[in-house]
Amino acid sequence: AQSVTQLGSHVSVSEGALVLLRCNYSSSVPPYLFWYVQYPNQGLQLLLKYTSAATLVKGINGFEAEFKKSETSFHLTKPSAHMSDAAEYFCATSSNTGKLIFGQGTTLQVKP
Amino acid sequence: EPEVTQTPSHQVTQMGQEVILRCVPISNHLYFYWYRQILGQKVEFLVSFYNNEISEKSEIFDDQFSVERPDGSNFTLKIRSTKLEDSAMYFCASRAGLAGPNTGELFFGEGSRLTVL
Repeated sequence: AQSVTQLGSHVSVSEGALVLLRCNYSSSVPPYLFWYVQYPNQGLQLLLKYTSAATLVKGINGFEAEFKKSETSFHLTKPSAHMSDAAEYFCATSSNTGKLIFGQGTTLQVKP
Repeated sequence: EPEVTQTPSHQVTQMGQEVILRCVPISNHLYFYWYRQILGQKVEFLVSFYNNEISEKSEIFDDQFSVERPDGSNFTLKIRSTKLEDSAMYFCASRAGLAGPNTGELFFGEGSRLTVL
C-alpha cells in the first residue's frame, strides 16, 4: 500500500537560509506525489505535485521538489526562507483509489 | 478561481448531539472527500464519494458518520451522536477525475472546526 513518511516533525531555519523538508514514499507503482501547506488556522493549499512528468517540480512561493526514484524521496526545498513560510507542510501520495494519504506533517519555523 | 467552501467554520456542540458539516465542492468535480485533522496531528482520510455513493471509507468512518449529496451541489458530513474525540478540523475536498491535467490533485476547503464539550 502507498504511504509517505516525513522525516522531522519540526524544522527550524533562519530567514534567508535553505529550507529542506524530507519526504519518502512507499509505492509499488509510480506514484503521484504532492506537497501541501497549511498556514495557521487555514486549510490545505497545494504547493506542487509530481505526476510522472519532469522529476524536478516547481511550485508556488519559490518551492520546488525533486522526485528521486532510486531514493524513493520527494524532498521539498526552497533556497531562501522567508518569515511568511512558517507553516505546517504535508507530503502526500495518491492511492490507486484516488484518495490522498498524508504524512505526519512538518512544522517549519523561520527565525529572524 | 473556483474553490471548495465549507460551513460552518466553527461549531461547538454538546456530546451526544448531532452535527452536520456542509461543503460545496467545485462545480465540475466528480469525486468528493472528507478528511479529519485532530489538533496537532496528521490529516486523516474519512470517506470518498463518487456517483452518489461511498466509494471508500476508513476505519474511523463508523456507523456514527454518514455523508450525502442531497441536491447536486452540497456535500454533507453528519455525525449522529458526537463524542469528545470527534473534536477536530474537518476538511472537505473535491477532485475533477482520474485523468487530465489535475490528475490526483484534491482541492480542499478551509475546514470546519468541531468542538465537542
